[in-house]
Amino acid sequence: QVQLVQSGAEVKKPGSSVKVSCKASGGTFSSYAISWVRQAPGQGLEWMGGIIPIFGTANYAQKFQGRVTITADESTSTAYMELSSLRSEDTAVYYCARVRKMATIRDAFDIWGQGTMVTVSS
Amino acid sequence: SYVLTQPPSVSVAPGQTARITCGGNNIGSKSVHWYQQKPGQAPVLVVYDDSDRPSGIPERFSGSNSGNTATLTISRVEAGDEADYYCQVWDSSSFWVFGGGTKLTVL
Repeated sequence: QVQLVQSGAEVKKPGSSVKVSCKASGGTFSSYAISWVRQAPGQGLEWMGGIIPIFGTANYAQKFQGRVTITADESTSTAYMELSSLRSEDTAVYYCARVRKMATIRDAFDIWGQGTMVTVSS
Repeated sequence: SYVLTQPPSVSVAPGQTARITCGGNNIGSKSVHWYQQKPGQAPVLVVYDDSDRPSGIPERFSGSNSGNTATLTISRVEAGDEADYYCQVWDSSSFWVFGGGTKLTVL
């Protein structure tokens, strides 16, 4: 059974960057799209972007274009999400999630990481 | 950009049927996925591709999608079904879009 294990909570200053990791264990990594979804306190889910590791090219939500970078390291079965120019509104839980089917980003997310709390505060 | 509209809250008594809607322009032409999220937990997929259930999800959870509205139906509601529910679709211009979420309260 595939599991996604994310890195621990972060506290960052405004204007800095954060990089969150998502390590897959127990199954195939490279052929399944990984997306990043965030949830601000008391708010809904917001898709940030995703990547299919074997292809290497990421897609990003327009809102985050230029500020987010999603990468994947096939050798360690780990995906990363880096968000720059942090502001207080970026305080949220960040989730990684994997799709059901191989080689497509256009599929439901059936496996989720446990979430990483990122707090942006001066 | 594509917008999905959900009611903020739905309340239902135990044993009754809950229906949570997700509105979007011609959403019937898209595949809709539904997630359940309990406080402090990651979301869980409960329905995918409009009406299919992942293994382990009770048959009480079902979905439909037509016209401008998709619906998640939970039959014989239990206290453990109390959670937030989100719909999701893929849009060619917006990529992944989530609805605002619906809080299901079991009375």
